[in-house]
Amino acid sequence: NAGVTQTPKFQVLKTGQSMTLQCAQDMNHEYMSWYRQDPGMGLRLIHYSVGAGITDQGEVPNGYNVSRSTTEDFPLRLLSAAPSQTSVYFCASKREQGRYNSPLHFGNGTRLTVT
Amino acid sequence: GQQLNQSPQSMFIQEGEDVSMNCTSSSIFNTWLWYKQDPGEGPVLLIALYKAGELTSNGRLTAQFGITRKDSFLNISASIPSDVGIYFCAVISGTYKYIFGTGTRLKVLA
Repeated sequence: NAGVTQTPKFQVLKTGQSMTLQCAQDMNHEYMSWYRQDPGMGLRLIHYSVGAGITDQGEVPNGYNVSRSTTEDFPLRLLSAAPSQTSVYFCASKREQGRYNSPLHFGNGTRLTVT
Repeated sequence: GQQLNQSPQSMFIQEGEDVSMNCTSSSIFNTWLWYKQDPGEGPVLLIALYKAGELTSNGRLTAQFGITRKDSFLNISASIPSDVGIYFCAVISGTYKYIFGTGTRLKVLA
């Protein structure tokens, strides 16, 4: 099983450029989310989605847009990249199940550098 | 925003030693999770804790959900070189928002 697939693995952008980080999961998970990981700050939630057509903001949403047109895909868009967005980005998904929260499954990350 | 305080931030240990790390919060949470991140990869779930006071093991790993629901600890017994990585605690805020600690970076000296 592929699990959560993120592309690209590495990306370098110039300030002001736009790009989309791709995330796809093949586990039929309802919930998908984007995190950024910065040194000494752990993982911070950017946006999340609980199903197709439904998205919401996390802790650090500014500068990022998301959409969820299908269950499988949850792209993250940077409309005008800034050096402060240099980070490692992780996509994660999970299944909603009954009484207990199921665990998050993470992709392997996209390392983004904005110059 | 809500924060999880994880300690220590980093540690060097000798192979074979036991390791202990903990995570505290000023708020009550009903689910505590421990993840490990290997270099160049995403975090992977090690242990999930759903009940205050619960003690759960996964091989050489043991984690406990604090009785106050504001803390958790993770122990690794008889460490080996492949234990190297970053260990994160996490909690679930509400239904959908996961909050992660800042991580404990573990380095094992052979």
